[in-house]
Amino acid sequence: QQQVKQSPQSLIVQKGGISIINCAYENTAFDYFPWYQQFPGKGPALLIAIRPDVSEKKEGRFTISFNKSAKQFSLHIMDSQPGDSATYFCAASVSGGSYIPTFGRGTSLIVHP
Amino acid sequence: DAGVIQSPRHEVTEMGQEVTLRCKPISGHDYLFWYRQTMMRGLELLIYFNNNVPIDDSGMPEDRFSAKMPNASFSTLKIQPSEPRDSAVYFCASSFPLGGGMNTEAFFGQGTRLTVV
Repeated sequence: QQQVKQSPQSLIVQKGGISIINCAYENTAFDYFPWYQQFPGKGPALLIAIRPDVSEKKEGRFTISFNKSAKQFSLHIMDSQPGDSATYFCAASVSGGSYIPTFGRGTSLIVHP
Repeated sequence: DAGVIQSPRHEVTEMGQEVTLRCKPISGHDYLFWYRQTMMRGLELLIYFNNNVPIDDSGMPEDRFSAKMPNASFSTLKIQPSEPRDSAVYFCASSFPLGGGMNTEAFFGQGTRLTVV
């Protein structure tokens, strides 16, 4: 059972455009939602994370939007740059106890110059 | 700290051979995870340890897979015998929970790309 569903699987955006990646979860106990960025040949690295007590978190050009009632969250990359080309994973976990993150399948983003 | 260190970076082996992947977590981290990444299935959690003790190995695909953590600074993932369908990138990650049960990030190594021919 896939607890975190991520879409799209791949995304192509022009430089300067907005990249949007969506995730949906099923387990209402999840209370921590990180996004990881992975460049070719590297391991995933934390990009930005949000907790359900806020509906939005922004760090530079990267914004997470969170909709608790719909059990959905999304990553928006404003003014997308070729250097943003990477694979993005959403994840979800439960604080305390077994807090192991459950990852989405990943989105391959290509930003054309 | 140098981060999570995995070795080897690349491994090519013949079907039926034993393969051992190695991981050195970040000092002070008490959680260690082994993930497998493929195009078809994304990132799959194979097993994780807490304070060197295996907690959940339900993601280990078959008995051919085994993992150990003999001390806080070293873990291995072994496949014996290896099969072509085991070809994937294997990641080790480590983490520590913040106080009060708060989450923190998982730090990933650079991975081992395994090819079984």
